[in-house]
Order: sequence, then structure tokens, then C-alpha cells
Amino acid sequence: DSGVTQTPKHLITATGQRVTLRCSPRSGDLSVYWYQQSLDQGLQFLIQYYNGEERAKGNILERFSAQQFPDLHSELNLSSLELGDSALYFCASSRALSSYEQYFGPGTRLTVT
Amino acid sequence: QQQVKQSPQSLIVQKGGISIINCAYENTAFDYFPWYQQFPGKGPALLIAIRPDVSEKKEGRFTISFNKSAKQFSLHIMDSQPGDSATYFCAASFHTGGFKTIFGAGTRLFVKA
Repeated sequence: DSGVTQTPKHLITATGQRVTLRCSPRSGDLSVYWYQQSLDQGLQFLIQYYNGEERAKGNILERFSAQQFPDLHSELNLSSLELGDSALYFCASSRALSSYEQYFGPGTRLTVT
Repeated sequence: QQQVKQSPQSLIVQKGGISIINCAYENTAFDYFPWYQQFPGKGPALLIAIRPDVSEKKEGRFTISFNKSAKQFSLHIMDSQPGDSATYFCAASFHTGGFKTIFGAGTRLFVKA
């Protein structure tokens, strides 16, 4: 158990809908990362937040957004969902802005029908 | 180029044998090269990592070999065990105001008992 929690575990929704995925980092970790894992694209970095501020952006679609709250938990919002958004979404956390060690949560499996 | 190329896609090794997974990168800005292990239904877990100023790092049965001039690095699993059967991802990270990690496509390892 990495200490990173993600909810929900599974999510099934329809195209065009909007969902919110939630992540709680390990105790004491200030940095949160979001990743998408799919069969065709592999594991892709989406975005990083550090102490409430966006610090790095990867291949994140404009339909997706994230935020980190004062209690350091983070949410990833996915809107106007398409079939191709079906994937595993992982959150990871690390101690500081540029800590090399990242600890991954168990993931949220999103299925868009 | 921010790609990390990983091979082979899959690997079958006899128990007690050596598993070797190779990765190559192009971007010289990468300054941290981790390997992650992922079991079905779980998030990736950091296995071992190396900085580019070191040519080899060993932790137990796991060794990373790093060739900076060739921009290649590899994971060796000595005395492979059935419990090592998992998907292994190489990755490369760099600082960019925050911290980005690019993952290889993954190698499915199966260790035969």
C-alpha cells in the first residue's frame, strides 16, 4: 500500500458526460501527479500540482482539468467524455516539487459507453 | 524528442534465469531514470532508479546499467522468480518548472516455474 488513495475505483458513464476523480496524497506529500494509462497510449503524464499550484503539464486534453485543494487532495475533472477517454487514471504523489520518488495510487478505471 | 523506447514488449524467462529489459531515449535533458513494476490491478511501484552520472546501480536482484553516450539503459533481474512476473516500465524524468516523467511502453515479464 503506497499511502495514496483514489476514489472511485471504477466509474462507468456515457459519452458527453462529466466526471470527477479524486486523489489523496501520502501524508506529508505536497506534490500530486495525474497519469492516464490506456492500451494504445501507454502510461502518459497529464499534469502536476505542487502545494495548490499547477507546475507541469503533459498531454492533457483541454476537456480535462485538475486542481489541488488546501488540504492537498486533488481532483481531475473530465468533461465531454468520449469513448477514447476510457482508461485507468492514476494519481501519484511525492514529497517536494522535484522529488524523484513518486508513489502511485491504485487508480480509477473509467469506462465511457 | 521526449520518447522513451522500450524493448522487448514481452519476455518469458525460466525461474533462476536473468531477465533483461532495454530502453533508449533521445532527450539529454532527462536527469532521472526510474523503473516501475506493475502487477495487474495495481498502480506502478518504483523499483529502482539511477541518475545519469552513474553507470550502474544494484539493489538486491535488480540492477540498472546506464550508458550515457549511447542514451540507453537497461534493467537486469537476476535469479528471476515467478513472483517477478509483472509489467515493467522504464521511464525518464526531467525538471521543467515542475517535474515530468515519460514512460516506455512496458514489458510483460513472465517467469516460468
